Amino acid sequence: GAVVSQHPSRVICKSGTSVKIECRSLDFQATTMFWYRQFPKQSLMLMATSNEGSKATYEQGVEKDKFLINHASLTLSTLTVTSAHPEDSSFYICSAPTRQETQYFGPGTRLLVL
Amino acid sequence: QKEVEQNSGPLSVPEGAIASLNCTYSDRVSQSFFWYRQYSGKSPELIMSIYSNGDKEDGRFTAQLNKASQYVSLLIRDSQPSDSATYLCAVNGTNAGKSTFGDGTTLTVKP
Repeated sequence: GAVVSQHPSRVICKSGTSVKIECRSLDFQATTMFWYRQFPKQSLMLMATSNEGSKATYEQGVEKDKFLINHASLTLSTLTVTSAHPEDSSFYICSAPTRQETQYFGPGTRLLVL
Repeated sequence: QKEVEQNSGPLSVPEGAIASLNCTYSDRVSQSFFWYRQYSGKSPELIMSIYSNGDKEDGRFTAQLNKASQYVSLLIRDSQPSDSATYLCAVNGTNAGKSTFGDGTTLTVKP
């Protein structure tokens, strides 16, 4: 299957700082990538759709000014959590669809905001 | 009504039994269907994809699709403790590449 990487895998930061998470499709190009958040024992929640060369599309209730998304190339999307607070602590996962529309997930980034 | 519905479980089966996971979806124009497995603390990994009515087998896994009933299932034969995980059903509609996920069914296989 296709490979999607995420970096970092784990990050601990102080409240008020910004954290950038990278998502890369390693062996295919992705004009679209998706960012999810998952709290413990809860289901995946789609936050936004990252579009290469254009603005991201955010799901209802997700603050676009807090969660900045940039899709710089056909293999890289970044999610920046700005002015992070403890309630932003979660498991952030990206995914990218192949040409066959199959979603492949990155390994996830565990964010802890102190 | 949720777009993709799964029994939340937990579903518990003994080792060696068949585990049956079910999923229904509301959008009749859905094109592609996927099953993912998610171990605790990990991200989802793809198990099976299915696009046409009928059965599709891959090792111990069989996906079944019935578009008329808007139903997709996953059977796991000879269940192993290592199959214990949350199984996510995903459905793609006309929005290319965007999947709608169910909330998942948690499966426990007891030795």
